[in-house]
Amino acid sequence: GQSLEQPSEVTAVEGAIVQINCTYQTSGFYGLSWYQQHDGGAPTFLSYNALDGLEETGRFSSFLSRSDSYGYLLLQELQMKDSASYFCAVGTGGFKTIFGAGTRLFVKA
Amino acid sequence: EPEVTQTPSHQVTQMGQEVILRCVPISNHLYFYWYRQILGQKVEFLVSFYNNEISEKSEIFDDQFSVERPDGSNFTLKIRSTKLEDSAMYFCASSEGPVSTDTQYFGPGTRLTVL
Repeated sequence: GQSLEQPSEVTAVEGAIVQINCTYQTSGFYGLSWYQQHDGGAPTFLSYNALDGLEETGRFSSFLSRSDSYGYLLLQELQMKDSASYFCAVGTGGFKTIFGAGTRLFVKA
Repeated sequence: EPEVTQTPSHQVTQMGQEVILRCVPISNHLYFYWYRQILGQKVEFLVSFYNNEISEKSEIFDDQFSVERPDGSNFTLKIRSTKLEDSAMYFCASSEGPVSTDTQYFGPGTRLTVL
């Protein structure tokens, strides 16, 4: 089967750094994406890694190790508005994406 | 900034009825997708569509589901005979290239409630 594992929830304080891990087991792998979803909203793209290493986009960074089937999303300088669900997702081929169950991030003042 | 749009935002239907969910992808995108999300659960892939045909579909996308691009702008998902378990948020997405190399942009979703 195909699976993506990520923690169900994480809590952190405003201004802190938080890391959300994702391990995957899929039949194909073309890249690891991260999406943010606020309650009642649509998933919005945050970051994408096709190759090993770190990608940085402002306060968000994402890391991939293909040999370990592992990646993470790093959020720095947390703000209250970052409270949301974060999904890792694997492109298993040219036309299909498998999502993890999501990590609910709670940012406290 | 261009965006994916979906109509209606909320659809209520009786079990056994047919529903059509509509999407207008971003205009220069070539790849289109439908996903669903049952309340509180993960986003699940239903189907991808490229060059006027289904590229890939999941086991969820059975004979009750169909997709169509009836004109140059709309992309529709039809559920022929709705079941209670079809109640979910349905998201349309589009991308310029295949998801192996390109970002998907999601629409705001249609909440389908089957009574």
